[in-house]
Amino acid sequence: AQSVTQPDIHITVSEGASLELRCNYSYGATPYLFWYVQSPGQGLQLLLKYFSGDTLVQGIKGFEAEFKRSQSSFNLRKPSVHWSDAAEYFCAVGARSSASKIIFGSGTRLSIRP
Amino acid sequence: EAGVAQSPRYKIIEKRQSVAFWCNPISGHATLYWYQQILGQGPKLLIQFQNNGVVDDSQLPKDRFSAERLKGVDSTLKIQPAKLEDSAVYLCASSLARVTDTQYFGPGTRLTVL
Repeated sequence: AQSVTQPDIHITVSEGASLELRCNYSYGATPYLFWYVQSPGQGLQLLLKYFSGDTLVQGIKGFEAEFKRSQSSFNLRKPSVHWSDAAEYFCAVGARSSASKIIFGSGTRLSIRP
Repeated sequence: EAGVAQSPRYKIIEKRQSVAFWCNPISGHATLYWYQQILGQGPKLLIQFQNNGVVDDSQLPKDRFSAERLKGVDSTLKIQPAKLEDSAVYLCASSLARVTDTQYFGPGTRLTVL
């Protein structure tokens, strides 16, 4: 069965600084990988997803993520954060053999320092 | 395009009472999911429907939770009787069909059990 770990519970970065949120997965083959964002009082929104091909994936709101098979990682990055990026970020993994089921990590809360 | 609708947005009940949540997915989406999100954790899949059939309910506490999706459109999730540990946000999501299709989430129902 697949699983996902987000080692950082809470991260604070200054506005305009770069951001990297870590995600490690466990799965025997190449998984499907996702990053979702949850703003206060709102539902989850998909930022980006990886299925195959180019390991650097571009998403919405200026985010990108890189799939590294050797490290079982799918870290989320943004070159310059904005105050509106403050939210909870969830990494998720899906197995190619299952029917539409994805497993979410426990999330990383991002705070922005003015 | 209308998003996933959920009601109510908030519910407070006492333990041993019953409660029901309603979800209306995006039109044309065959797959519907119910997730439980406990504070500080990622969403956990409770049940997944494909049209009006159950695909996965392995993590649904069937002694107290039940769900149905009549006519393959709207869905209702019920808890009877509720326990203190059921306090959580209940999220509904829908997608076209496959794991590669984006899941769109509703705003959730925040349940507090006293």
